[in-house]
Amino acid sequence: DGGITQSPKYLFRKEGQNVTLSCEQNLNHDAMYWYRQDPGQGLRLIYYSQIVNDFQKGDIAEGYSVSREKKESFPLTVTSAQKNPTAFYLCASSIFWRAGGDTDTQYFGPGTRLTVL
Amino acid sequence: SQELEQSPQSLIVQEGKNLTINCTSSKTLYGLYWYKQKYGEGLIFLMMLQKGGEEKSHEKITAKLDEKKQQSSLHITASQPSHAGIYLCGALSDSNYQLIWGAGTKLIIKP
Repeated sequence: DGGITQSPKYLFRKEGQNVTLSCEQNLNHDAMYWYRQDPGQGLRLIYYSQIVNDFQKGDIAEGYSVSREKKESFPLTVTSAQKNPTAFYLCASSIFWRAGGDTDTQYFGPGTRLTVL
Repeated sequence: SQELEQSPQSLIVQEGKNLTINCTSSKTLYGLYWYKQKYGEGLIFLMMLQKGGEEKSHEKITAKLDEKKQQSSLHITASQPSHAGIYLCGALSDSNYQLIWGAGTKLIIKP
């Protein structure tokens, strides 16, 4: 079955540590996205990638880094520079990167809940 | 900057009753997406609206975009326990062509 997988489902991090969240898709989509969701707030865009070997900062990129070496994979690293990393992280993908049409509909993975101890 | 406001923030409805959730934009909407989320899970795509006056339905859920393209409503007919969850609207940002999101409406269905 085609879809998006994220791992791990739960992640605990000590202060000062970097952690990497995995996101894999087998939908053959060009575009991939990382969002952060906090209680009572809408999703906020961290990074997005239009195509392999290319990515752009979103609204809240500080303290995060990404890579896009393969079409299927878009890992997110939460660095120690991120002051308040406890949140629910969602990865998504779409056929094209430019939202606004049917082919730009974003499909989401199940999410990773990160907690800083 | 463009903002999306969803109302109500939460809603408790008796099973079998109808309900409406609204998503209002501070600017013209050029693409409005509705998603559903179970707590602690990913988002499930419901519908996308683009044209003023457009209406789409999926099973017992109907979404409309008003003629002025600044407000969308999501209507559920004869609600069921399976409709419970958080409903989020997302819209195309006029700054970077990415989606901005409402804060969500939490729907609880009472048996």
